[in-house]
Amino acid sequence: DAKTTQPPSMDCAEGRAANLPCNHSTISGNEYVYWYRQIHSQGPQYIIHGLKNNETNEMASLIITEDRKSSTLILPHATLRDTAVYYCIVRGSYTGNQFYFGTGTSLTVIP
Amino acid sequence: GAVVSQHPSWVICKSGTSVKIECRSLDFQATTMFWYRQFPKQSLMLMATSNEGSKATYEQGVEKDKFLINHASLTLSTLTVTSAHPEDSSFYICSARGGTSGRDTQYFGPGTRLTVL
Repeated sequence: DAKTTQPPSMDCAEGRAANLPCNHSTISGNEYVYWYRQIHSQGPQYIIHGLKNNETNEMASLIITEDRKSSTLILPHATLRDTAVYYCIVRGSYTGNQFYFGTGTSLTVIP
Repeated sequence: GAVVSQHPSWVICKSGTSVKIECRSLDFQATTMFWYRQFPKQSLMLMATSNEGSKATYEQGVEKDKFLINHASLTLSTLTVTSAHPEDSSFYICSARGGTSGRDTQYFGPGTRLTVL
C-alpha cells in the first residue's frame, strides 16, 4: 500500500521553479524516498531518490526534512515538457523492493 | 544506460484469446522485474514480482493462473494474459531492478496497451 500523500494537482509558470511536496510521516529508518514522473501513456521515468541527505542531479533536487516525514522535489526551471504526473514513493531496502504507487501530483506547466 | 523495452507496444485481441507481453532489460541484467497494470486516469497497480529462475510473487487479488509470468533469463520476463476478456483491457507496464547496492532503483518500460474486444 502507498505510504505517501501528495496534492492531486499543481500549476507552475514556465521558467519558474516547481516545488512538489510529499508527506511520508510513517517512513521508517531504512526506507528510501523515490520520485518518478509519468507523461501521458508512457512508462514512469526515474527522477531522483534519497535516504536522508538532500540530493541533486541533472533533473531535479530532492529536499528531505530532518525528521524524514516529508520531502520536496524541486524542478529548478520548469518547462512545458515537465508537465506530467509526479509520484513520490517510499521503498524499503529489505522488503522485496516493491513500489506501491499513490495517486501522485499532476503538474501542469503554464506558458 | 538502464533501458527497458516492451513488446508489443499495443495489441488488440478477441475475447478468449491469450496475449504475451515481453519485457527486456537492454543494457543490464535484472534478477528482479515487476509487472504493473494501469487503468485510465488511475495510478499504477503492482501485479507481481518476477525473480529470475523462480516463481513470481503475486499481489493480493491478482489471479496467478490468469496472469502467467515467466522470468527465464536475466534480461527477459514475459506476462501472458490467458483467456483475455474486455475487463483485462489496460496499460501493462514492466520494470526492472538495476543499479548498484544502495543506489538501485526500478527502470520502467514504455508500456503495452492491451485492448480486448
